Parts: sequence; C-alpha cells; structure tokens
Amino acid sequence: DIQMTQSPSSLSASVGDRVTITCRASQGIRGDLGWYQQKPGKSPKRLLYGASSLQSGVPSRFSGSGSGTEFTLTISSLQPEDFATYYCLQHNSYPLTFGGGTKVE
Amino acid sequence: QVQLQQWGAGLLKPSETLSLSCAVYGGSFSGHSWKWIRQPPGKGLEWIGEINHSGSTNYNPSLKSRVTISVATSKSQFSLKLTSVTAADTAVYYCARGAMDVWGQGTTVTVSS
Repeated sequence: DIQMTQSPSSLSASVGDRVTITCRASQGIRGDLGWYQQKPGKSPKRLLYGASSLQSGVPSRFSGSGSGTEFTLTISSLQPEDFATYYCLQHNSYPLTFGGGTKVE
Repeated sequence: QVQLQQWGAGLLKPSETLSLSCAVYGGSFSGHSWKWIRQPPGKGLEWIGEINHSGSTNYNPSLKSRVTISVATSKSQFSLKLTSVTAADTAVYYCARGAMDVWGQGTTVTVSS
C-alpha cells in the first residue's frame, strides 16, 4: 500500500495568513493526488485534483503543487470559512489512501 | 447537477451485516465508477472500495473478505454490504462518484450490543 504522510497534523493560523500543508507519498504517484476540505459534520469537498488543478467553484487562494512523492496545498490568505480539516488522497494505485489530515484552527 | 442520496440502517449489533445504498440523481451513471469511504468518529478517511457500471470492483484489502459492492445500473444506484460487523466498523459511511468530486451526505453507522 502507498502510505500518505501529511504534515502538520494541526496548525494554528489567523485570517490573512499563508498556510502550507504537505503530503508525502511512500512511493511515486506521479500527479495522481487530490486535496479535500472537510468541515465538522459535513462531507469532504474536493479542492484540487491532479495535484494542481483547481476544482470548479473553489476560490483561487487555494493552490497545489508537486509530483512524484512530495505535494503541497497552499492557502494564500486564510479566510474565516477555511478553518477546517484538509486531507490528501492518492489515486495512483489500489488501495486508494488518504493522508491523516491537517486541522487548521 | 449531480447529487448522491444515501440511506441504510444506522444501528447494528455485532456480527450483523451493514447494508447501505446510494442513488445518483442528475447525471450520467454509466460513465463513472462509484466509491464507498468511511470515517470512524474523530478519525480520518478510509477508502472501502469501488465499482464501475459494468460491475467490476476493487476493494480495500483490509476489508475485502467482508465487503461486497454491487450496482443496479437501471436504477442508477449502488450498494455496500459489510458482513460480521464489530464496534471497529462504527463510522460515518460516504458514497462518492469515481473522481470523488461529488459525495453523498453520509450515513452514521453504530455497532453496539
């Protein structure tokens, strides 16, 4: 199985801050990675796919980069509605695996 | 706009079978695969498995011996069965479209004697 190591597991930030979350794959996954946002009691929402492509309707302050084993999600200027938990997901090979999550608080 | 509506029993006893269904509204069913994901209380997300419109499946090896995902293409529905549940199967279960860009609302399943 491909292990997805996400860091940090939590972070404290303020509105307007630049936030960066990292996901590291245990083996190369090309660009087969998505980023998801989840708020309490809600279903996850896809933010980015293909490591760097923005999902339709998602604000441009969200961006992604990386390929192979190292990936980052960046929020350029944190907004109040961005306080949530973020997950990466690799879909390069089965079983699909998620990172452990990053809680932004 | 595609929507997924899921339903199923929310309270089970140990050793029973979990059974959930998910209906797809407003979009193509045959052009996609369909997934199940779960999230134990306070924990992260776990991919359970998936099926395409023709019935071809992939399962998480950690659950493979107990999981069956099936599809009813004529109804634009797919289903999850998980046998011999234990407390460790307590979780919110989600259905999702193949690209995981559309998710159901989630169903809380509790296993308790």
